[in-house]
Amino acid sequence: DTEVTQTPKHLVMGMTNKKSLKCEQHMGHRAMYWYKQKAKKPPELMFVYSYEKLSINESVPSRFSPECPNSSLLNLHLHALQPEDSALYLCASSALNRGRTDTQYFGPGTRLTVL
Amino acid sequence: AQRVTQPEKLLSVFKGAPVELKCNYSYSGSPELFWYVQYSRQRLQLLLRHISRESIKGFTADLNKGETSFHLKKPFAQEEDSAMYYCALRSDRGSTLGRLYFGRGTQLTVWP
Repeated sequence: DTEVTQTPKHLVMGMTNKKSLKCEQHMGHRAMYWYKQKAKKPPELMFVYSYEKLSINESVPSRFSPECPNSSLLNLHLHALQPEDSALYLCASSALNRGRTDTQYFGPGTRLTVL
Repeated sequence: AQRVTQPEKLLSVFKGAPVELKCNYSYSGSPELFWYVQYSRQRLQLLLRHISRESIKGFTADLNKGETSFHLKKPFAQEEDSAMYYCALRSDRGSTLGRLYFGRGTQLTVWP
């Protein structure tokens, strides 16, 4: 399996809802990433997990809460979002090869709309 | 500080014409550079990485450390090449190890 999968593909939620985005990879990668992407813009890094530990948090508001239950799974818990949080949320993973090339592979994304 | 610059936001060429998407970078370490492509309504896909020195879908890119560039080239563009192309630099430093820094992207349109 050489793919990163994400569910759901689309999500519409109200500002008071709580929802979760899920990401899964079975490539044995030890780093997983959450990005936010607005239309026609590059992905913006949100969080990085290395060996199941949060290693980078790009000052993301607390209404976004990441979780890495194991090395294959990555969740993003959403609560009290704002309409401006509507975007495509991308998950990526990489092998985290120190000293050698390390390529990130992206999932198809979850299209989130906050009403 | 690391920075990736893609000077062209939009680029249009006719089918069969050569195409070059520019990418310049600023990085104090040993750069590791990538080109990613995002076709309409599809996932972000790796196209090329400089360390592999390969040609994918007819595209090539050479790292020029003197000019700090990693331009993407194809001698004969095809309509199916129409997509958004992102140049990215990977950090090899401590706390940011593995992080990708993306350029703003170039939207390539190939006309029939």
